[in-house]
Amino acid sequence: EVQLVEAGGGLVQPGGSLRLSCAASGFTFSTYWMHWVRQAPGKGLEWVSRINSDGSSTSYADSVKGRFTISRDNAENTLYLQMNSLRDEDTAVYYCGRDFPMVRGVIVDWGQGTLVTVSS
Amino acid sequence: EIVLTQSPATLSLSPGERATLSCRASQSINNFLAWYQQRPGQAPRLLIYDASNRATGIPARFSGSGSGTDFTLTISSLEPEDFAVYYCQQRSNWPPVFGQGTKLEIK
Repeated sequence: EVQLVEAGGGLVQPGGSLRLSCAASGFTFSTYWMHWVRQAPGKGLEWVSRINSDGSSTSYADSVKGRFTISRDNAENTLYLQMNSLRDEDTAVYYCGRDFPMVRGVIVDWGQGTLVTVSS
Repeated sequence: EIVLTQSPATLSLSPGERATLSCRASQSINNFLAWYQQRPGQAPRLLIYDASNRATGIPARFSGSGSGTDFTLTISSLEPEDFAVYYCQQRSNWPPVFGQGTKLEIK
């Protein structure tokens, strides 16, 4: 069974930093692209970032480019999202997701999410 | 960036009725459209990919259609667990944008 478990969320002041992690199990992590998607309270889904299977290629939404960094540790089956220069509008539940093989950009499995609150 | 517009914003129906949800793209995305369901307090779940392909384990009452700019998700006969928010998402161009969602509520 595929499992994705996010951690690292919490309360942080504007301008601060936070690192999210996503522990993966139940599949061969090193062969899949992975994504981060967020959802502000009461709002819709916003794609944030993705990384390819070996970590050599990444992509970001314009809203986080230059502030967030996605990475992965295939030996530890873990995905990361380093978030710097956080803003109020970054407040959201952050989900990690597994890309659908052969259907790039579709997220076939999702974690339960971790809440990030940016507030003074 | 491609914009996806979902309609209606809210759909009020009764169990057993047929639901038709729409998603329109600002430019052609071929058939590169997915649908997700999100129940309250839960993560999204993939229902349909590439416009008409049901994901593993998705009941046959869910079907998708369309190509180009206009897409439809149909639920043939609503079950109580189907009342949720539904999102479309395109993967034709990066970034993989989501629509704003349609809330399917019990009438």
